[in-house]
Amino acid sequence: AQKVTQAQTEISVVEKEDVTLDCVYETRDTTYYLFWYKQPPSGELVFLIRRNSFDEQNEISGRYSWNFQKSTSSFNFTITASQVVDSAVYFCALNEEGRRALTFGSGTRLQVQP
Amino acid sequence: GAGVSQTPSNKVTEKGKYVELRCDPISGHTALYWYRQSLGQGPEFLIYFQGTGAADDSGLPNDRFFAVRPEGSVSTLKIQRTERGDSAVYLCASSLLGGASSTQYFGPGTRLLVL
Repeated sequence: AQKVTQAQTEISVVEKEDVTLDCVYETRDTTYYLFWYKQPPSGELVFLIRRNSFDEQNEISGRYSWNFQKSTSSFNFTITASQVVDSAVYFCALNEEGRRALTFGSGTRLQVQP
Repeated sequence: GAGVSQTPSNKVTEKGKYVELRCDPISGHTALYWYRQSLGQGPEFLIYFQGTGAADDSGLPNDRFFAVRPEGSVSTLKIQRTERGDSAVYLCASSLLGGASSTQYFGPGTRLLVL
């Protein structure tokens, strides 16, 4: 069975600080896909990134970066120089090959104070 | 282009009533999903459609919940004899294809409150 754990329930930082959101996953499959979504106060889930299990290269997109480590089953998300607009709930999700349903973690609420 | 849309945005009903929630996916997307999100939790899968057929309904909690997608586009989630425990945000998502690698794009959700 697949499972995603986001141990950090809530994080509060001051603007311009760097922050890392942790995600640990469990799966028995060798082929799987990992996702991060952002859910701002408006409620709509916004897709951020997708990685497959065969690509462990870290990815950077502007102030966002992702660190995928199969050895520790982790897919962590770092925001550099955080901004108030980054305040949201962030979800990590997993999908195994052959399945259709995403399994989400319980989310991390990030508050960026000005 | 337009994203996934859902109506209504909010629905208040009384225990025991019937409700319908509508989802309009991104044009051209063949796969459609329904999830339910309770306060402080991540979304939980309900049902998946590939085209017109429900390919996986394993997440539906009981037989009071039913969903259709008759023409392979718009979908309706139907809840009979609503209970207070059904109160949640119901999210719809669509993807171009239905594979595990396909990115699911979500709508704004319908917030259902059962009194």
